Amino acid sequence: AQSVAQPEDQVNVAEGNPLTVKCTYSVSGNPYLFWYVQYPNRGLQFLLKYITGDNLVKGSYGFEAEFNKSQTSFHLKKPSALVSDSALYFCAVRAILTGGGNKLTFGTGTQLKVEL
Amino acid sequence: DAGITQSPRYKITETGRQVTLMCHQTWSHSYMFWYRQDLGHGLRLIYYSAAADITDKGEVPDGYVVSRSKTENFPLTLESATRSQTSVYFCASSEGGIGDNEQFFGPGTRLTVL
Repeated sequence: AQSVAQPEDQVNVAEGNPLTVKCTYSVSGNPYLFWYVQYPNRGLQFLLKYITGDNLVKGSYGFEAEFNKSQTSFHLKKPSALVSDSALYFCAVRAILTGGGNKLTFGTGTQLKVEL
Repeated sequence: DAGITQSPRYKITETGRQVTLMCHQTWSHSYMFWYRQDLGHGLRLIYYSAAADITDKGEVPDGYVVSRSKTENFPLTLESATRSQTSVYFCASSEGGIGDNEQFFGPGTRLTVL
């Protein structure tokens, strides 16, 4: 079964420092991978996706993610963190439903806290 | 206003009562989804719809009913609410199928079942 794992419940980083939020996946076939962000009391917002092509995917708000097939990882990165980046981040993978349709399987989320 | 809206934003109900959560989108997206968000589980898909009058089960459909008579609306009904259905519910929509296009999420409905 397709799944994603986010090994860190929380990541703390100082403003201006680079940040990484980790995600590993398990799929059969080619993975379709996504990152979403959730701000307090809000719905999820799409950041970026990998379907095929360049392993480095650029997304919204200066975020990027690196697809690594050999390590089955899709880590989210940003060169210089901002306090406003503090939020809950979800990795997701396209998965197949028992009945044959598709779904997104989400990780459990990583809380990013950027401090001054 | 354009976008995806949910109502109510907060709801408290009692065990055994019927509750309907509303979802409305203005983009005419074909696909709509209902998720529940619980600590330690991330988001789990309850039901989805590929078009008006077409709905299908997600991974946790038990105790829920959906309908989609119009493209823009996708209500979720808890026929007899249970405490285990206390959660935050998110509606989402997308142009294409799951996994092909980004999904746009509503602000969520926080439901408490006493």
